[in-house]
Amino acid sequence: GENVEQHPSTLSVQEGDSAVIKCTYSDSASNYFPWYKQELGKRPQLIIDIRSNVGEKKDQRIAVTLNKTAKHFSLHITETQPEDSAVYFCAASIPTDAGNMLTFGGGTRLMVKP
Amino acid sequence: NAGVTQTPKFQVLKTGQSMTLQCAQDMNHEYMSWYRQDPGMGLRLIHYSVGAGITDQGEVPNGYNVSRSTTEDFPLRLLSAAPSQTSVYFCATFKREGAKNIQYFGAGTRLSVL
Repeated sequence: GENVEQHPSTLSVQEGDSAVIKCTYSDSASNYFPWYKQELGKRPQLIIDIRSNVGEKKDQRIAVTLNKTAKHFSLHITETQPEDSAVYFCAASIPTDAGNMLTFGGGTRLMVKP
Repeated sequence: NAGVTQTPKFQVLKTGQSMTLQCAQDMNHEYMSWYRQDPGMGLRLIHYSVGAGITDQGEVPNGYNVSRSTTEDFPLRLLSAAPSQTSVYFCATFKREGAKNIQYFGAGTRLSVL
């Protein structure tokens, strides 16, 4: 099955700096890569996603890049703010007969220091 | 439109007790799933369902049963609770849009087994 590795597990940045979180996946059949943000005690919320036919996608301060050859994808947050502090999860989705199943990375705890 | 509703929000069990975690959705999504979230482990898939009457095992199914008699409901049963099942449980629906697999999470159930 699919295996998703996420690094780093914790990341501390100064407000205004950029943050980068990286994920690798094992199954070349994966074709959809969402990123979730989970604030303390709350449910995961989708913040951005990318399909396998796209190399980069941007939404305001957040961008995601995908390298299919190397099987890795990354989340980039620019001009970080204290409210960006949360746990971020990457995921990879493989199409199967039963539907697209998500496998999650282990999460990155991002702390933005004011 | 309530989305995905989980009950209860908190539960404490003694080892060996049984209970059912409820999950209901009003979005008419075919696919539903249960995840558990342990510290540093990300989200792991327990069971999933691609429609009423159809269920299948995920990554960590042992100790849990599910059923899907209606599109709306997907309860998770713990037959004989163990301390290793102490975790936060999330129910999710997912909707396929082409290659995208968009997940909608419930608010979670925090379970402690003593």
